[in-house]
Parts: sequence; C-alpha cells; structure tokens
Amino acid sequence: DQQVKQNSPSLSVQEGRISILNCDYTNSMFDYFLWYKKYPAEGPTFLISISSIKDKNEDGRFTVFLNKSAKHLSLHIVPSQPGDSAVYFCAASGQGGSEKLVFGKGTKLTVNP
Amino acid sequence: SQTIHQWPATLVQPVGSPLSLECTVEGTSNPNLYWYRQAAGRGLQLLFYSVGIGQISSEVPQNLSASRPQDRQFILSSKKLLLSDSGFYLCAWSPLRNTEAFFGQGTRLTVV
Repeated sequence: DQQVKQNSPSLSVQEGRISILNCDYTNSMFDYFLWYKKYPAEGPTFLISISSIKDKNEDGRFTVFLNKSAKHLSLHIVPSQPGDSAVYFCAASGQGGSEKLVFGKGTKLTVNP
Repeated sequence: SQTIHQWPATLVQPVGSPLSLECTVEGTSNPNLYWYRQAAGRGLQLLFYSVGIGQISSEVPQNLSASRPQDRQFILSSKKLLLSDSGFYLCAWSPLRNTEAFFGQGTRLTVV
C-alpha cells in the first residue's frame, strides 16, 4: 500500500521556467510533509517542509503548497536552474503519533539550459 | 553540530555471505533512526525505524534485520545475502517527530 505517491517519474523544463512537482497521499493522519532533493550516489538533502496547519510555505525559489482536502501537495521551483536537476522525493509523517517518515518514489527533474 | 556517519560507502558481497552496515550519529541524544533502501530505478523504501535503544520497527518482511545497541548507533544486518538485497542503503536520523530527517551518504551494496 503506497501511502505517498509521486505519479510522474520524470519532468523536463527549460531553464528560467517554473518546475511543478506533484505528490498525493492517502493517509489522512499525515500532518507533516517534506521535500527532499537527491543526486546520484548521495543521500537525500532536505529542501522544504510544511505542516498541515498551513497551506503554503516559501523558501527562496522553492514553494510548497498543501491541499488537505485533496490530499495533494506540490513543489514549485521558480526560476528553475540546471543545478536543480536531481530526483525529488516527497515525504510525509505523523500517522497518529507514529515516528516514521514515508517517501514517495521520486520524480526526476531535468532542467535544460 | 549534528553529523551522521555511515559506512562503508561501497560493498560487494557474494550471495550467502553475512552483512553488517553501521550508522552512528553525533551531536544529539535520543534521535529517531531509520534505514532506507533505494533499489535500482525505485524510490526510497523504509526498512526499519527506531525511536529508542532496543526498539526496532520493521516495515518490510525481508532478509534483513536491524539493531540499536546504543542510543546513537544503528546497525543493519543479514545472515545470508540474496541477489535481491543489492541496492543503495541509507541511514537517517531525525531529532523529533514531525521534523526533517538527515541522511548519511549511503552504502552501495552489490550482491554477486
């Protein structure tokens, strides 16, 4: 049972344009959501997070939007840069007190110069 | 500051051999600890997590086990490796519930 879903395995955008990465979740007990960026052969690095009491969180070029009714969140990167090319993972936690962090399968973003 | 150490970085092991991957965290107490695996072309699969010494929760039935003998030490083991155990293994820690997790650099395991 996949509780965090990233239905697009890959995304390609032009440098300077907006990148939108999507994530859906099924467990209504999740109350904290995160995005990670991962380069090959390295551990993921934390990008941005959002609590379920908010619907938007912004950090520089990165903005995460949360739609609780739709159980959907998205990561916007504006403007996209070639260095943003990586695999992006959506993650969620908070299953009624559970401590585990559950990840989606990731979306490979390619930003073309 | 907190740091996480995971070793070795790469490992090639024959089928049927044992496995021991170690992860330690410095600069914090009572962290939540995690083992994840990224198989080729797949996402991050949670294998084990621990909220305290001796407390291990297993997420996926498999050929692997985990132990937490000390507060900041997390070990992933197998008695007999299978070809399907090949993958990229990641250790992570988080200070509290509902905070970000910090990952080690990973171990590339190839079972031959």
